[in-house]
Amino acid sequence: DAGITQSPRYKITETGRQVTLMCHQTWSHSYMFWYRQDLGHGLRLIYYSAAADITDKGEVPDGYVVSRSKTENFPLTLESATRSQTSVYFCASSEDIIYEQYFGPGTRLTVT
Amino acid sequence: GNSVTQMEGPVTLSEEAFLTINCTYTATGYPSLFWYVQYPGEGLQLLLKATKADDKGSNKGFEATYRKETTSFHLEKGSVQVSDSAVYFCALIFSGGYQKVTFGTGTKLQVIP
Repeated sequence: DAGITQSPRYKITETGRQVTLMCHQTWSHSYMFWYRQDLGHGLRLIYYSAAADITDKGEVPDGYVVSRSKTENFPLTLESATRSQTSVYFCASSEDIIYEQYFGPGTRLTVT
Repeated sequence: GNSVTQMEGPVTLSEEAFLTINCTYTATGYPSLFWYVQYPGEGLQLLLKATKADDKGSNKGFEATYRKETTSFHLEKGSVQVSDSAVYFCALIFSGGYQKVTFGTGTKLQVIP
């Protein structure tokens, strides 16, 4: 199916564990983004990527790692999960940085 | 740095009421401005946008005008429906230089029959 997908949709993990959230888009968009959404903070940019093998930090990158070996995939890894990383994570893509962003359905992550 | 300020929610309106959600921004230069909508359990989707001063974006009965003099991009709709219940985000981005999008904190709208 065309579009942008995220997996898993829901995840519960324990403090200290590594967890990877997946994002896949079928449009061959150059730009991809990871956001976290928390009550009172709205959306905050974690990392973004302008193309394969090009990534840059956003507003809240600490504790997260990204990679982009292929244009269509942009996984987000929490190397050692903490309770403060409990959040809803959204992936997005766009054709260009100034264009509309297309969002995935989100992953609800709970760290216990 | 850049910032976007939205009115606090939730905003509760009766069906067919007039809606205004305020959005003001602080930025150096002239960004493009967006309104995104997030329906329950879904990701954000673009509602409308404006790329230069005095532009009016419109979609699904919603409108917003890019006001450079007041650095504002208020969202309006003449007659809301229950199906408009959602969270609305104002956002800005520049076409050059600091190329990261800045979102507001979101305003939740509840429309009651």
